[in-house]
Amino acid sequence: NAGVTQTPKFRVLKTGQSMTLLCAQDMNHEYMYWYRQDPGMGLRLIHYSVGEGTTAKGEVPDGYNVSRLKKQNFLLGLESAAPSQTSVYFCASSSLTSTDTQYFGPGTRLTVL
Amino acid sequence: KQEVTQIPAALSVPEGENLVLNCSFTDSAIYNLQWFRQDPGKGLTSLLLIQSSQREQTSGRLNASLDKSSGRSTLYIAASQPGDSATYLCAVRNEANAGKSTFGDGTTLTVKP
Repeated sequence: NAGVTQTPKFRVLKTGQSMTLLCAQDMNHEYMYWYRQDPGMGLRLIHYSVGEGTTAKGEVPDGYNVSRLKKQNFLLGLESAAPSQTSVYFCASSSLTSTDTQYFGPGTRLTVL
Repeated sequence: KQEVTQIPAALSVPEGENLVLNCSFTDSAIYNLQWFRQDPGKGLTSLLLIQSSQREQTSGRLNASLDKSSGRSTLYIAASQPGDSATYLCAVRNEANAGKSTFGDGTTLTVKP
């Protein structure tokens, strides 16, 4: 049981390049989330999903796209990276019930030059 | 819109002290409240989750309380140790935003030997 895993762990992009961050969970959770964490800004929700094939916008969705083709995977895409997207990205998952915790991945540190 | 505030932003204590971290939120219609620990360069680790119907939860030296009516939660750490040094975040999961959580900016705790 690996919990929540994220790949890659680190990445450096040039402005305008694209990339996809992969999140995988093996806990059969319905909900999955992508957050970004920036100094002084805390954790902000980018997009989330309440089940396979569904996605929804969070607090800061601009410049990002997501897909949930399989229940265990949640992909975050940057089509044209900008320096403002330099951040640490965290994926999380949880079940539908109010008793279940959010489980976080280890994070991806992205730098856009 | 739910807002979560954590005060103080930073706290330094000598080893062995008991301490309290505070979390306040503006919308009392919550599903649950979760306390996390984050070590530098790492992801978030869940410490305690309090359901909206509960008043407190305990795990070892940690005790979290919840007062929905006043919009407050506290995390009590007994007999602090240098290994407790980390950033502590609280997250409120809202009924109105199924599955989504709003995070505070965290309190960075340093326990001096």
